[in-house]
Parts: sequence; structure tokens; C-alpha cells
Amino acid sequence: AQSVTQLDSQVPVFEEAPVELRCNYSSSVSVYLFWYVQYPNQGLQLLLKYLSGSTLVKGINGFEAEFNKSQTSFHLRKPSVHISDTAEYFCAVSAGNNNDMRFGAGTRLTVKP
Amino acid sequence: KAGVTQTPRYLIKTRGQQVTLSCSPISGHRSVSWYQQTPGQGLQFLFEYFSETQRNKGNFPGRFSGRQFSNSRSEMNVSTLELGDSALYLCASSLALSGQGVSPLHFGNGTRLTVT
Repeated sequence: AQSVTQLDSQVPVFEEAPVELRCNYSSSVSVYLFWYVQYPNQGLQLLLKYLSGSTLVKGINGFEAEFNKSQTSFHLRKPSVHISDTAEYFCAVSAGNNNDMRFGAGTRLTVKP
Repeated sequence: KAGVTQTPRYLIKTRGQQVTLSCSPISGHRSVSWYQQTPGQGLQFLFEYFSETQRNKGNFPGRFSGRQFSNSRSEMNVSTLELGDSALYLCASSLALSGQGVSPLHFGNGTRLTVT
């Protein structure tokens, strides 16, 4: 079965600074990878996904992620963060079916003025 | 298109009671999944329904059950509530046919259950 590890539980950063949220996965088969964001008192919202093709994936709100098969990573990046990006971010991996989707423990991004 | 709707948003119950949570998926989505989210355990998969049939179940006791109706709306039920059942319960719908591929999950805002 696949699994996912988010290496940082909390990431504090100043407004307009760049940020990288790290995600590593393990799987014996090909995977599909996702990043979701959760704002307070809300459900999860899809940021971006990697299903196939280009390893650099662009998502909403200026975020992007790069699939690195050799390092089994799918790190999320944004060149300049805003206060409104403060939220919890979840990396998720699936081996091909929605019912085997596995989520990481989450990274709480706090953007300070 | 309306998103995934979960009702109620908040619930307070006492130990031993039972509770029913409701989820209306995005129109056209036939797959509905339920997740439990807690600070300690994170997001844990409860079960998935497709065409009124439970297709997969996570590692939860039998007190947790669910069903799906012909219009794809889903309910989950928790009987004999325990303090540890306090959590945010999230419902998600997707276009993927059960067991036939992956597509992004669309989540509702959840039902926050507090057991006292």
C-alpha cells in the first residue's frame, strides 16, 4: 500500500517570501499525487494534481509542485506568499483508485506580516 | 454547480447516543467517500459508496455505518457514541467510478461532532 509523509508539521514564513512544503511518498506502483488546502472551518480544496505528463504542475493561487520519481517527492512551492495563504496543506497519494487515497498528516502554513 | 453539502455543520451529543450525518454530492457525482479528521490521527478513510453500494471500508468499528440513496445522497451513522468520536467528519464526492480510476475529491465543509 502507498503512504505519504509530510516532513514539516508547521511552516512559519513572512509575507512575500517564498515557501516550500515537502511531501514524500512510498509506493510499489505508479502513483497519482495531489495537494489539498484546508482553511479554518472548511473542507479540503484541491490545489493541484499530478496524473501524468509534465512533472511540473501548476495549480490555483500561484502554487506549483514538481513530481520527482527518483526522489519519490512531490514538494509544493509558491514564490511569494500572502497572508491569505495561511491554512493547512495536505499531500495525498493514490495508486489508481479514489478508495485507496492516502493523506499526509498536514503542514500548517502560517504567513506573518 | 453547487458544491458538496453537509448537514448539520455542528452537532453536540452525549456518550451512548447515536448520530446521523448527511451529505449531498455535486450533481452528477456518483461516488461518495467519508473521512474522519482529528488532530491526533489526521484524515482517516471511513468508507466509500457508489451506486448505493459500499465499495470499500476503512479500519473503523461496526458502530460506524453508512448508506447511499438512489440520488447519490449519502448518510453516515455512528451508534453508541464515545468521547473519541469527537471529530470533523468530511464527505467527498468524485466523478471516478469506484475501482476504475482516480479523480480529484471534492469535499464538503464537514460536520463537527462533539461528544460530551
